Amino acid sequence: QVQLVQSGAEVKKPGASVKVSCKASGYTFTSYDINWVRQATGQGLEWMGWMNPNSGNTGYAQKFQGRVTITRNTSISTAYMELSSLRSEDTAVYYCARDPPGRDLDAFDIWGQGTMVTVSS
Amino acid sequence: DILMTQTPLSLSVTPGQPASISCKSGQSLLHSDGKTSLNWYLQKPGQSPQLLIYDASNRFSGVPDRFSGSGSGTDFTLKISRVEAEDVGVYYCMQSIQLPRTFGQGTKVDIK
Repeated sequence: QVQLVQSGAEVKKPGASVKVSCKASGYTFTSYDINWVRQATGQGLEWMGWMNPNSGNTGYAQKFQGRVTITRNTSISTAYMELSSLRSEDTAVYYCARDPPGRDLDAFDIWGQGTMVTVSS
Repeated sequence: DILMTQTPLSLSVTPGQPASISCKSGQSLLHSDGKTSLNWYLQKPGQSPQLLIYDASNRFSGVPDRFSGSGSGTDFTLKISRVEAEDVGVYYCMQSIQLPRTFGQGTKVDIK
């Protein structure tokens, strides 16, 4: 079935970087954009950025510019989100979400299970 | 960035009764192709968000028909005709007309 499976929970110290993976299966990885959304505990959803796995083109929320990098490895149908210079406020669950091409369904139709990232000294 | 504002922020509903959530956007979500770029998601407790409604009023595959979306321009509504116990969670609207994507604050729905 169509799914996105993310890597496991991470604990990082302030100032470090974290790289979360999102493995796609059940569909053609390069045909759908991947977005990253995060959610601090008890808080709402916050969009971080986007990538077209075919071209590698990316776009990031201004808040994360310079700290976030979204990449992919098409040979293993996996997208990555790396966040650097971590601080305690980055403690959150990070989700990847699929966005179908074109305008027939312009929404995040499939979500990963989420990856908890804890930033603590 | 487009500001998305949801009301109410919480809602307690008796099973079998209707519920309604409002979402207002800071600018029109009418796309040049005539579609309206407003989506609704439900995040059940301990789960990832799931798509309910896209293009303001289209139910996603597998979504029960008790869920309906309406609205245009900047004002939108999600309605649940008869709330069931499995509908508890937090509902979010999200605009998909431009980057960055932005979400409403969320509306927490629970059962009385």
